[in-house]
Amino acid sequence: GAGVSQSPRYKVAKRGQDVALRCDPISGHVSLFWYQQALGQGPEFLTYFQNEAQLDKSGLPSDRFFAERPEGSVSTLKIQRTQQEDSAVYLCASSLDGRASEQFFGPGTRLTVL
Amino acid sequence: SQQGEEDPQALSIQEGENATMNCSYKTSINNLQWYRQNSGRGLVHLILIRSNEREKHSGRLRVTLDTSKKSSSLLITASRAADTASYFCAPIEDSGYSTLTFGKGTMLLVSP
Repeated sequence: GAGVSQSPRYKVAKRGQDVALRCDPISGHVSLFWYQQALGQGPEFLTYFQNEAQLDKSGLPSDRFFAERPEGSVSTLKIQRTQQEDSAVYLCASSLDGRASEQFFGPGTRLTVL
Repeated sequence: SQQGEEDPQALSIQEGENATMNCSYKTSINNLQWYRQNSGRGLVHLILIRSNEREKHSGRLRVTLDTSKKSSSLLITASRAADTASYFCAPIEDSGYSTLTFGKGTMLLVSP
């Protein structure tokens, strides 16, 4: 069965470049979450979608971070003018309805900014 | 959502031994979830225990919840090398939707 997939799995960017990270959630899952995980830390919440609506973006660290889910399925996390501190693993998760239910995580995209 | 605090930060045991890790949180919850993360399978949901439950089992996993002490424990029995991973708890408050807030986790090393 298809789980959550993310692409690319690894991305190396030069400082100042823009990057786009893709997440394909489990089919039929209403809720989609993005998390950022720095080395040695637990994942930290970035943003949440319910279908195509972005209901919470309180975790986005700066206005260089932008996420969308235009058709309520695939989501893209875009980081503009990347900085070294953006280097992390970006995890996407989906859940059936988001109401206090379990989340299914993708493998993550490891972003390294040089 | 609130963050859970896992304890200990690191745990090293031999295969066949049991491993116990604890989680503490601050305010009332709807449920509490445990996740495991290793390099092979990424971050995986293990078990969810609701606030009106005191104990739950899943295979070799046993989770307890004490809402009066605002704490939970995860017991892994007869551990295997494949259990080597970081374990995170995520307390979920009453809310319309639930984002997970993770602590630093417990890093478990199971040696053959």
